Formats: sequence, structure tokens, C-alpha cells
Amino acid sequence: ETGVTQSPTHLIKTRGQQVTLRCSSQSGHNTVSWYQQALGQGPQFIFQYYREEENGRGNFPPRFSGLQFPNYSSELNVNALELDDSALYLCASRSGTGRNTEAFFGQGTRLTVV
Amino acid sequence: DAKTTQPPSMDCAEGRAANLPCNHSTISGNEYVYWYRQIHSQGPQYIIHGLKNNETNEMASLIITEDRKSSTLILPHATLRDTAVYYCIVRVTSYDKVIFGPGTSLSVIP
Repeated sequence: ETGVTQSPTHLIKTRGQQVTLRCSSQSGHNTVSWYQQALGQGPQFIFQYYREEENGRGNFPPRFSGLQFPNYSSELNVNALELDDSALYLCASRSGTGRNTEAFFGQGTRLTVV
Repeated sequence: DAKTTQPPSMDCAEGRAANLPCNHSTISGNEYVYWYRQIHSQGPQYIIHGLKNNETNEMASLIITEDRKSSTLILPHATLRDTAVYYCIVRVTSYDKVIFGPGTSLSVIP
């Protein structure tokens, strides 16, 4: 158990819809990152939030957006869902942004777009 | 961005040491090497990380070569529960914009 919780665990959406995924970070962690993991591949970085500000983004279109709240929990929003958005979505939290801090992952949300 | 290369798969007999290699020849002097593992459909689990010295914790040991261009993760007494995909990654900036490659699929065999 890492203390990072994600909800829901599974979700089925229709192409074109919007989805919100939630992440509660480990106590004391003020940095949250989101990843997309397609079947059989490694996780791909979407973006990172530090103290409620986005401070890093991977190669994902603007329809992928996020929020971090004062309690450091976070949301990932995806608009105009496409079939290729079907994946395991992971969030990871850590304390600060230094290179010498490990990230702890939640168990993920499995999103299926039909 | 620093990249890593790992063998796609390895087998290890239960109770023996599992040695998982990783090449990171373009690593910069202030970049750490991290190891995570992922058991089927679960979130990645942190194992260990290091800069240039060898590191050991309750899960594993990390051996980094003197030139820092490669490293080895050692699971001293592999069990069936260690069967997983192991990722060697380099944190390239203060972001978590790390590059997860395909990793090494380790199978521990009874």
C-alpha cells in the first residue's frame, strides 16, 4: 500500500464523451504526476502538478487537462474521448520536485472507450 | 533526454539471485537511476534509486558502474512474487517526465 488512491478503478465511456479521474496523494506529498499506460507498454508521462500549478507536460493534446487542489489531491480530465484513450491511467505522488525523491503510484483507473 | 535499454525478458530460478541489467550511456552527472516494478495490471512499485554509489534496501541492491553508464538491480533471493516487469528509468529533470521503456519481464521459475 502506497497511500495513493485513485477512483474509480474501472470506467467505460463512449467515444466523444468527457471523463474525470481522481487521485488522492500520499500524506505530505505536494507533487502529483499522471501517466497513461496502454496495454503492453510502459507508462507515458502526461503532466505533473506541484503546489496546484502544472510544471511539466508530456506529448499529450490539450484535451488532456488537470487540476490539483489545496489538499494536493488531483484530477485528470479528458475531453472528446477517442478509442485510443483506452488505457490504464496512473497517478503518482511525491514530496517536492527534486531528483532524489521517489514517486509512489496508485493502482490506476482502467478506462475503456467504446 | 537520457534513455535506458534493458533486455526484454529474463528467467530466474526461485531462491537464486536475479540480476537485471540496464544501460543508460547518455546519463548526465546529476541524474539519478530509478528502478520500479509492475506486477500485472497494478501500479508501478518503487524499488530503489541511486546516483553513483551502490545502494541497498530491504528489497534489492543497486550496483552502478563507475562511469555511470550502466547499472544492475539485484534481487538476492528471488521468489515467485518477484515475477513482474522491471523498469529502469532516469529522472531527466525535476519533472517526473521520465521515459519508461518497455522494461524487462522477469519470470521466476519454481
